Amino acid sequence: AQSVTQLGSHVSVSEGALVLLRCNYSSSVPPYLFWYVQYPNQGLQLLLKYTSAATLVKGINGFEAEFKKSETSFHLTKPSAHMSDAAEYFCAVSEIAASSASKIIFGSGTRLSIRP
Amino acid sequence: NAGVTQTPKFQVLKTGQSMTLQCAQDMNHNSMYWYRQDPGMGLRLIYYSASEGTTDKGEVPNGYNVSRLNKREFSLRLESAAPSQTSVYFCASSEATVSGANVLTFGAGSRLTVL
Repeated sequence: AQSVTQLGSHVSVSEGALVLLRCNYSSSVPPYLFWYVQYPNQGLQLLLKYTSAATLVKGINGFEAEFKKSETSFHLTKPSAHMSDAAEYFCAVSEIAASSASKIIFGSGTRLSIRP
Repeated sequence: NAGVTQTPKFQVLKTGQSMTLQCAQDMNHNSMYWYRQDPGMGLRLIYYSASEGTTDKGEVPNGYNVSRLNKREFSLRLESAAPSQTSVYFCASSEATVSGANVLTFGAGSRLTVL
């Protein structure tokens, strides 16, 4: 079964600093990978997705992620953090289940805090 | 366009009681999902449904049942609630049945407390 591991349950950066949230996946086949964001008391929304078209994926709000097969990683970055980026971020991997629906598995999440 | 609607938003149950969480989507999506979210554990898949009439177990199906009533609705039932089922439950839907690149659209969540 496919899985994702998010390193660091909590990351704190200063406003304007680089944001780096780590995600490693395990998969026996090329995966589809996603980053979702959850703002307080809300559901999750998609930040970006990797579907093998390009290894560097750009998402909303200035975030991007790079797929590195050799490292089985899909880390999320943003060059300059903004206060509004404070949220919980989830990495997810998609596998094709026997019934032909996508079974989408999430990591444990990383809470991002921004210091003024 | 409402997207994914979950009811109720909040519920308190006593151990052993039963209840059903309702979910409806108006985007004509084929696939629907139920997840639970617990601190430090991310989202864990309970059940999912590729299409009307089909359901499959996810990572943590024990203690739950689901019904895909029609294309729009996917309900989650707790037959005999336990304190370990205290959680926030999210329903989600996606467009395609066969594609690893399915993007999930989530509801706002249902917070369930079992005493």
